[in-house]
Amino acid sequence: SYVLTQPPSVSVAPGRTARISCGGNNIGDESVHWYQQKPGQAPLLVIYYDTDRPSGVPERFSGSNSGNTATLTISRVEAGDEADYYCQVWHSSTDWVFGGGTKLTVL
Amino acid sequence: QMQLQESSPGLVKPSETLSLTCNVSGGSISGFYWNWIRQPPGKGLEWLGYIYYSGSTNYSPSLKSRITMAVDTSKNLFSLSLTSVTTSDTAFYYCARGRAGTYPFDLWGQGTLVTVSS
Repeated sequence: SYVLTQPPSVSVAPGRTARISCGGNNIGDESVHWYQQKPGQAPLLVIYYDTDRPSGVPERFSGSNSGNTATLTISRVEAGDEADYYCQVWHSSTDWVFGGGTKLTVL
Repeated sequence: QMQLQESSPGLVKPSETLSLTCNVSGGSISGFYWNWIRQPPGKGLEWLGYIYYSGSTNYSPSLKSRITMAVDTSKNLFSLSLTSVTTSDTAFYYCARGRAGTYPFDLWGQGTLVTVSS
């Protein structure tokens, strides 16, 4: 089965850049999607197909994917970005799979 | 603008069947893949499976023996049944819209908490 590995937590000061990783075997060959989930809310798509941003998502959110690691980057972090972030991949061995999630804390 | 709304009994007894419905409003159920995802309180997301509007399904291997999904295009809704539940099935259950291939889940319901307890 295909496994996605995320760090449990990432902390960043306001105005700095946060990078959240998602590791998987040759994940660079797959399409990665990223979701933001705030407390008490449903997940919200913030990056899809590695680098694309849905309408309404700030340009501060960007993504990359190469080799064994995909990365969600949040520039000029704001207090409102504090949330859990999940990566997602469709893989032939497991169909849809989510990473374990990363809690972003804004210091 | 399309919206999704889950409905459930809230509380289910162990060994019984959990039944959920997702009502689709503001658009047609046709043409999309309809997914179920769950999240135990304080934990991560788990994909349960999807049903295409035509009725074809794809279930997570870990739940395949206990799960059934159905769609009613005349009522614009789809449903999930999970048999022989245990306390491990206690979770927030979400429905979400997808499309063909590797397209992401671009629309989610607000989620509903199902508690398995005697």
